Amino acid sequence: DGGITQSPKYLFRKEGQNVTLSCEQNLNHDAMYWYRQDPGQGLRLIYYSQIVNDFQKGDIAEGYSVSREKKESFPLTVTSAQKNPTAFYLCASRTGTRGEQFFGPGTRLTVL
Amino acid sequence: KQEVTQIPAALSVPEGENLVLNCSFTDSAIYNLQWFRQDPGKGLTSLLLIQSSQREQTSGRLNASLDKSSGRSTLYIAASQPGDSATYLCAVSETGANSKLTFGKGITLSVRP
Repeated sequence: DGGITQSPKYLFRKEGQNVTLSCEQNLNHDAMYWYRQDPGQGLRLIYYSQIVNDFQKGDIAEGYSVSREKKESFPLTVTSAQKNPTAFYLCASRTGTRGEQFFGPGTRLTVL
Repeated sequence: KQEVTQIPAALSVPEGENLVLNCSFTDSAIYNLQWFRQDPGKGLTSLLLIQSSQREQTSGRLNASLDKSSGRSTLYIAASQPGDSATYLCAVSETGANSKLTFGKGITLSVRP
């Protein structure tokens, strides 16, 4: 089955810890994206990558970091510098022809 | 900067009603527009994609239209069912298939049996 997987589904972080959210796709898409979703705020873009070994900051990149070493993988690290990390995180990829975006099931991060 | 607006934020209709969800955007220089559905606690599911050169797209009971000149898109749902209850989001893309999308905040639809 082609698609996007995110793990874990739920993640709990203590204050001061860095955590990494996994995103893998087997759709052979070049472009991948990370969004954060908060109640009443809609989706906000954190980082995106249009090609391997390259990525750009989105609207709310502070306190986050990413890497894109493989086409299939785009992990997101939430660092201790992110002051309010509790949110629902969504990973997406996009076709290079029609530009249609597809989403993973999400990871819910809670800071204890 | 592109801004996408979806009004109202919530809508409740009786089962069987035909309904229209609206989406407006400020910059008409878009590559495409996409409609998504999101169920509580889940990821987004793509419903329809309209390229900038197209006027509408249809899938089953769903029809989406695009008017770039006025900065508007509508999602028409025919004969609504309780299973259609979800949040519907629209997003517009800047030029280029791999560019970023700008999302509206969504319309939460409730279809009453």
